Amino acid sequence: GENVEQHPSTLSVQEGDSAVIKCTYSDSASNYFPWYKQELGKRPQLIIDIRSNVGEKKDQRIAVTLNKTAKHFSLHITETQPEDSAVYFCAASRGYSTLTFGKGTMLLVSP
Amino acid sequence: GAVVSQHPSWVICKSGTSVKIECRSLDFQATTMFWYRQFPKQSLMLMATSNEGSKATYEQGVEKDKFLINHASLTLSTLTVTSAHPEDSSFYICSARADQGFNSPLHFGNGTRLTVT
Repeated sequence: GENVEQHPSTLSVQEGDSAVIKCTYSDSASNYFPWYKQELGKRPQLIIDIRSNVGEKKDQRIAVTLNKTAKHFSLHITETQPEDSAVYFCAASRGYSTLTFGKGTMLLVSP
Repeated sequence: GAVVSQHPSWVICKSGTSVKIECRSLDFQATTMFWYRQFPKQSLMLMATSNEGSKATYEQGVEKDKFLINHASLTLSTLTVTSAHPEDSSFYICSARADQGFNSPLHFGNGTRLTVT
């Protein structure tokens, strides 16, 4: 089955800096890669996703890049704000299958 | 947007009792729902896939007699933790795809924090 590795496990940045979280996946047939943000005690919220026919996608301060050859994808957050502090999960799936999640990255943005 | 409602949001029960958790899709129909379990500071682990009108599919290592899943309608799936023990204490989250099509996002319920004393 699919295996998703996520790094780093914790990331601390200053407000205004950029943050990058990286994930690798094992199943070359995976073709859907969402990112979720989870605040403490709350549900995961989809923040951005990318499909395998696209190499990069951007939504305001958030961008995701995908390298199918290397089987890795990354989340980029620019101009970080304290409210960006949360746990971020990457995930991968193919077709109609469910998602396999990475272990999560706790992002701490200091004012 | 697609809304998945989960109830209760938290529950405390005594060891040996059973607890039922409901997951509803409020504005869409879901032939398939997914149940996850999350321990503190850990990732989401898929427990089972709930299929409307048929038996759930359990992941390896998940006891089907312990975690009973019923998906009786296109908008409701239930997870019953039977004879709960302290080690069952966890955060349980359901999810579903609003768009049943290929590669569509999962929408999550608000989760249920179960504490077994």
